[in-house]
Amino acid sequence: RKEVEQDPGPFNVPEGATVAFNCTYSNSASQSFFWYRQDCRKEPKLLMSVYSSGNEDGRFTAQLNRASQYISLLIRDSKLSDSATYLCVAYGGSQGNLIFGKGTKLSVKP
Amino acid sequence: EPEVTQTPSHQVTQMGQEVILRCVPISNHLYFYWYRQILGQKVEFLVSFYNNEISEKSEIFDDQFSVERPDGSNFTLKIRSTKLEDSAMYFCASSEGSLTNEKLFFGSGTQLSVL
Repeated sequence: RKEVEQDPGPFNVPEGATVAFNCTYSNSASQSFFWYRQDCRKEPKLLMSVYSSGNEDGRFTAQLNRASQYISLLIRDSKLSDSATYLCVAYGGSQGNLIFGKGTKLSVKP
Repeated sequence: EPEVTQTPSHQVTQMGQEVILRCVPISNHLYFYWYRQILGQKVEFLVSFYNNEISEKSEIFDDQFSVERPDGSNFTLKIRSTKLEDSAMYFCASSEGSLTNEKLFFGSGTQLSVL
């Protein structure tokens, strides 16, 4: 069974804090990985893809460790607007079949 | 930015009734998908559709479910005889190409409540 596991949180952090999320995936054949953001009762929105070499987009940094089968997301200088649920997602190559984690809830407080 | 649109945003139905959820994918996209999310649970893949046929489906997508692209713009999900456990948010999505290379765009969802 293909699974993506995440710490559900919630992570409650003050504005300006750095916060890190991890997730693990069970299917070693997974080819691509993503972080999505989901606001309450809204659709998931792609935050960033995750590459083996690691990638950065502004305050967000994603890392992939294939040997350990885990993925991380680092958010620096967190903003109130970063409050959301962050979904770790693996794509195993089967057409359209993204495997979603349950998500980690982040709450940024003033 | 182009978007996937879904209608209705909320659908309430009685158990055993048929429902059709409607989606208009982004116009130049070739791959279409349905996902669902039961309240408090993971987003789950239901089905993918390409070149007018199902390319993959999950074990959730049983004989009660069907998809159709009745014209050049709409993509529908039909549930023949709804059950209480079908209550969920249903997301339509589309991509320009295969997900190996392309981004997935989600619609804002249809909240289905089966009473």
